[in-house]
Amino acid sequence: GAVVSQHPSWVICKSGTSVKIECRSLDFQATTMFWYRQFPKQSLMLMATSNEGSKATYEQGVEKDKFLINHASLTLSTLTVTSAHPEDSSFYICSARDPQGGFYEQYFGPGTRLTVT
Amino acid sequence: KNQVEQSPQSLIILEGKNCTLQCNYTVSPFSNLRWYKQDTGRGPVSLTIMTFSENTKSNGRYTATLDADTKQSSLHITASQLSDSASYICVVSANSGYALNFGKGTSLLVTP
Repeated sequence: GAVVSQHPSWVICKSGTSVKIECRSLDFQATTMFWYRQFPKQSLMLMATSNEGSKATYEQGVEKDKFLINHASLTLSTLTVTSAHPEDSSFYICSARDPQGGFYEQYFGPGTRLTVT
Repeated sequence: KNQVEQSPQSLIILEGKNCTLQCNYTVSPFSNLRWYKQDTGRGPVSLTIMTFSENTKSNGRYTATLDADTKQSSLHITASQLSDSASYICVVSANSGYALNFGKGTSLLVTP
């Protein structure tokens, strides 16, 4: 099956700094990638939809200047959390849409645990 | 408003026993329903995907059912194993399957 990777798997950063998370589709080309955030014991919340070569579409309430998304190629999307604060600490998960898959299948990455101190 | 409700919120069962998880939804227009398994600290992994016309689908010891009329689905786990301990998430897609509506998940703990 299709594989999506994320890097890093966990990261600790100081308040005020920026951190970049990478999402890669390893064996398929993903024209669309999605970024989710998950707080403990909560469901996944869609943050933004990223289309290759164009600007990301952000969900209501998500600050686009704080969460910068770049989808420069068909296999890579990055999420940069700028000027991170402790409340940004969360589990960030990406998914990639395989256009060859049925029902617009989305494959999820393993997630990145961000802790802001 | 599209909603996906799962029950129970958490469940503890003995290894080897069976269990059934429930999912009710109000998503419209319905496209498909998926069950995912999410281990702690990991991303969700797809177990089953069902469309409107499918009533049941199996994946090993996992069997999902769908009643599109009552907008209910269940996930039955047979002969549970310790490795089944995880969160099980029901996800319902609207329209052509692009938008996903997530349930909060059922946290399952299988004990020896």
